[in-house]
Order: sequence, then structure tokens, then C-alpha cells
Amino acid sequence: NAGVMQNPRHLVRRRGQEARLRCSPMKGHSHVYWYRQLPEEGLKFMVYLQKENIIDESGMPKERFSAEFPKEGPSILRIQQVVRGDSAAYFCASSPSQTYEQYFGPGTRLTVT
Amino acid sequence: DQQVKQNSPSLSVQEGRISILNCDYTNSMFDYFLWYKKYPAEGPTFLISISSIKDKNEDGRFTVFLNKSAKHLSLHIVPSQPGDSAVYFCAASKDSNYQLIWGAGTKLIIKP
Repeated sequence: NAGVMQNPRHLVRRRGQEARLRCSPMKGHSHVYWYRQLPEEGLKFMVYLQKENIIDESGMPKERFSAEFPKEGPSILRIQQVVRGDSAAYFCASSPSQTYEQYFGPGTRLTVT
Repeated sequence: DQQVKQNSPSLSVQEGRISILNCDYTNSMFDYFLWYKKYPAEGPTFLISISSIKDKNEDGRFTVFLNKSAKHLSLHIVPSQPGDSAVYFCAASKDSNYQLIWGAGTKLIIKP
């Protein structure tokens, strides 16, 4: 009974490159949430998706960031033209319905050099 | 504008004693509060929660107290065990919404 899976666990990108972070929700979960954690801070909501739909992207920067959750396959958070300030831990969570009771993956630590 | 604050970055407690972690909030519209525990290199795991209609919720060694007039909640762990050493996050939800607002966390160290 696998939990929420995220890969890669660590990702190093040079400034200007693209970063792709993947999240496979728990079995039976069709709701996915992405959070970002900067050093010494709490998690910050970025985006909430259901299969094939973005429900709420109010926490996502307007430029360079995008997210998708296709009918088949994992949810992907994509950051184009990364900058040093994008260095953070990115956590994905999933739930069986729209709720605050979310199950978190281990996170992807992105380092931009 | 930090709506959920955990003012103690770290806390050290002797094994067997009580650990008390505190959390303050500013938004009176929050109606649900959660505590998460996080080990290094892992994601947060849900620990315990409380609705704003209650002032206490207990689950084994963990008890959360809510003081709405003071906009303050606390997590009590008793007795503290070495495995409790982790970062504890307080999170809040408005209108039982999925958007969780998080504190910055408190690192709890349990000394043997």
C-alpha cells in the first residue's frame, strides 16, 4: 500500500534550466496539492488539481510555474528558467476528496546553482 | 503576513517529561487546526487535529488544546519519547478549506 510518491527526491539545476517534479498520489486519491517550503519557513500552498483539471492555482507564481495532473500518469510541477530563489523543498499531497486531511509525499529538494 | 505563528524554533525536553508546543494565529475565521510531525528527508505526517467548536482533543500521548479567545493552541506530548524528536508544524484551515496555512515549525529534541 504505497503512499504518496515523489521523484526525483533531489534535483539540481543550473539557472535558466527547466525543472520537472513528479507526484504519484496514493491509490484511490484523485486530488493533488502542491506546496513549497523555503528554508526556515512553513509550507506554502501552490496549487490544487484533480484529474485533468486545475482547481485552484492561487498560490502559484504567475510566470515560469505550471502544473498538470493528466488522466494517466503522475501530477507534474514544472518550473521553467529556474532562478536561485526557486531552491526549496516541494511537497505533494493527495486526498480522496477535497479536504484539508491530506497525505504528504517525501518531497523533492530542488537546488538551483 | 504570517497568519499562523510558531514562535519557538526549537525546544529541548527530557525523555519522560511533558513536551508543550505552542502555536498562535491571527485569523479568527480559521475553523480547523492540525498538527503535523516531520522527520528529516520525509514529508509531514498528520498527528492530531481539532475543530474550532472544541477546546480539547486527545489521542493517546498527544493532546491539543485550543483557546479561541487567545487565538492560541498547544500540543502536549506526555510522556515524551526519543522517537518524538522531529519538527512539529501547526496548520490551520478557513471554512474547512483544503488550503492549509502553516506555521514555520518547532524542532523538538528529546534528551535521553
